[in-house]
Amino acid sequence: EAGVAQSPRYKIIEKRQSVAFWCNPISGHATLYWYQQILGQGPKLLIQFQNNGVVDDSQLPKDRFSAERLKGVDSTLKIQPAKLEDSAVYLCASSLVTAPSANYGYTFGSGTRLTVV
Amino acid sequence: AQTVTQSQPEMSVQEAETVTLSCTYDTSESNYYLFWYKQPPSRQMILVIRQEAYKQQNATENRFSVNFQKAAKSFSLKISDSQLGDTAMYFCAFMKRGSGGGADGLTFGKGTHLIIQP
Repeated sequence: EAGVAQSPRYKIIEKRQSVAFWCNPISGHATLYWYQQILGQGPKLLIQFQNNGVVDDSQLPKDRFSAERLKGVDSTLKIQPAKLEDSAVYLCASSLVTAPSANYGYTFGSGTRLTVV
Repeated sequence: AQTVTQSQPEMSVQEAETVTLSCTYDTSESNYYLFWYKQPPSRQMILVIRQEAYKQQNATENRFSVNFQKAAKSFSLKISDSQLGDTAMYFCAFMKRGSGGGADGLTFGKGTHLIIQP
C-alpha cells in the first residue's frame, strides 16, 4: 500500500515570499490533516479536512496560511507571506472514517522541511 | 482543550536495557485514545502503541508496553530489551473520540529523545 506522499521534501525561501506544499493521502482515506512541527516541539494540528470540507481550522493562522482539498483527494497548504517563525516541518496525515479499533489507519507522510531566511 | 506533557527531553540507555518514558496529560474528556509515536530522522511519525481510555488492560506490542493510570492521567511507555534501532524521538499523543465519526486531530507532547548506546 502506498503511503502518504508529500512534496517538496525541502524548501528554502526568503521572508515575505510565498510557498506551497502538496499532499496526496492514502487512497480511500477521507480525512486529511496538516500539522506544523517546529524544531524541538511536537506536531501541532493546523487544519483537518473530511472529504473536501473543513472539520477544524482553529489553529490555522488564517491571515497568512490557507489550505484546500479540491475533489476530496490531494491537498495544498500555502503560506503567503512567510515569516521567519514559519520555519518548521509541515506534516500531512490521512485516516479512514471508520474502524475506530484499528487506529483509523492514521498514517503520516515524511513532511516538508521549510526554512525561511 | 487538552495538554500533553513529557518531562524528559532526553534519555540514554545501554543496548538490551529496559527504559521507561513518561507522559502525563490533562483533559475533561471521558472517551479518548492515547498513543506513542516514534519519529526517526526520516521525520515520518510511526505508531508504536495505542491505548483506548475505556480499556483497563494495558496495551502491549512485542517489546513495547504501556502503564496507563487513568485517574492519575499518566501514560508511560516501557521498552524492553532496547535495540540500536529504537534510537529516535518519541512523542506521546492524545486524541478525543470523535462524535461524528472518524479520527480527530492529535495533541502531541514535546517529545523525548531516546538514545540507545551500543
